[in-house]
Amino acid sequence: QKEVEQNSGPLSVPEGAIASLNCTYSDRGSQSFFWYRQYSGKSPELIMFIYSNGDKEDGRFTAQLNKASQYVSLLIRDSQPSDSATYLCAVMLGNEKLTFGTGTRLTIIP
Amino acid sequence: EAQVTQNPRYLITVTGKKLTVTCSQNMNHEYMSWYRQDPGLGLRQIYYSMNVEVTDKGDVPEGYKVSRKEKRNFPLILESPSPNQTSLYFCASSPDRYYEQYFGPGTRLTVT
Repeated sequence: QKEVEQNSGPLSVPEGAIASLNCTYSDRGSQSFFWYRQYSGKSPELIMFIYSNGDKEDGRFTAQLNKASQYVSLLIRDSQPSDSATYLCAVMLGNEKLTFGTGTRLTIIP
Repeated sequence: EAQVTQNPRYLITVTGKKLTVTCSQNMNHEYMSWYRQDPGLGLRQIYYSMNVEVTDKGDVPEGYKVSRKEKRNFPLILESPSPNQTSLYFCASSPDRYYEQYFGPGTRLTVT
């Protein structure tokens, strides 16, 4: 089992709809959770981070963490074509190693 | 402007010819790291540094060397590059390993 798993996609979502991206992790001792966005040919940039169970909202983005079920998700409301990118989930595992998932490619259809 | 810079951005080289990719940050960050990104494998950590003169192996350190003699610089050295090191390389820095990492623009390396 991979330490951090994401569905590689591609995930296609109509413009204006909600995009839901999921990430599961294997280490129950994991502490910090990050979502990065990466446009094609560019470097990753942070979208959200979350440390505690529950939801964290920032504008159109909501991160949801469920430590008991070992998943973290990212919701993008009112999806825009500019949201089309690869989304990387990163988890600070219990051994204090930051591990990235392979990413989910999201396409917003106008 | 706060940033992480990498040079060169693109490099084509031949097997066995030593090369260095430079990385510099101007944010006074303690933590710096090198990653490689390959299709289907995601970002994998090569080496990281918690502070000056403190470096440690990541997940895929074989074939690479690093040094951290100054806080702002963290060069990646390939002593004898091989074709399997063809990849997209990112340098990143952070105030601490637990915080957001700021990535450089990337270096696309091709080894023939």
